Amino acid sequence: GEDVEQSLFLSVREGDSSVINCTYTDSSSTYLYWYKQEPGAGLQLLTYIFSNMDMKQDQRLTVLLNKKDKHLSLRIADTQTGDSAIYFCAESIGSNDYKLSFGAGTTVTVRA
Amino acid sequence: ETGVTQSPTHLIKTRGQQVTLRCSSQSGHNTVSWYQQALGQGPQFIFQYYREEENGRGNFPPRFSGLQFPNYSSELNVNALELDDSALYLCASSDTSGSNTQYFGPGTRLTVL
Repeated sequence: GEDVEQSLFLSVREGDSSVINCTYTDSSSTYLYWYKQEPGAGLQLLTYIFSNMDMKQDQRLTVLLNKKDKHLSLRIADTQTGDSAIYFCAESIGSNDYKLSFGAGTTVTVRA
Repeated sequence: ETGVTQSPTHLIKTRGQQVTLRCSSQSGHNTVSWYQQALGQGPQFIFQYYREEENGRGNFPPRFSGLQFPNYSSELNVNALELDDSALYLCASSDTSGSNTQYFGPGTRLTVL
């Protein structure tokens, strides 16, 4: 089945770390993605992780993957006001991973 | 390197009309996917085109159709518009020879009255 779930809201103080969590259902997904969407804009790819990896770090971003529990998380270190946005978790679906199945998105609000 | 572009930015139509949305793929990408994002929701997959052929389709009725051209640009056509078709339509391009990562355009905001 295809069902990606995320918590809807996260409020974090500027300078703290943000952790956004996601669960997915398709154990055959090859890739898992994090996208960012600012108001009125399209989706910006933040990072992705291959399913045989446990962790990926890219500057302030750390992705953790627990394949056994089908749990994905995105940690943003030193959160800034520019990080305020909606964050979407997505899994690749189908032969050749042709389709993305998205969660409903987590709205992150950074407060001063 | 040119990113994914979409036109128009905004569009207002009335129920029953037809609409065509356009997308230009990122340079070097041979695959284009279309998604519908209703307000407050995540994007929903409509279909994907690879080498001018439909490569997969989501749970959308036949009045949603598409085309891909030899230069890898694409169109999404929606006939007999309904009020629930009001949404942000996102196009994404990817390169099947790589990680198949999809890069999104800015979207077209369609409002059906």
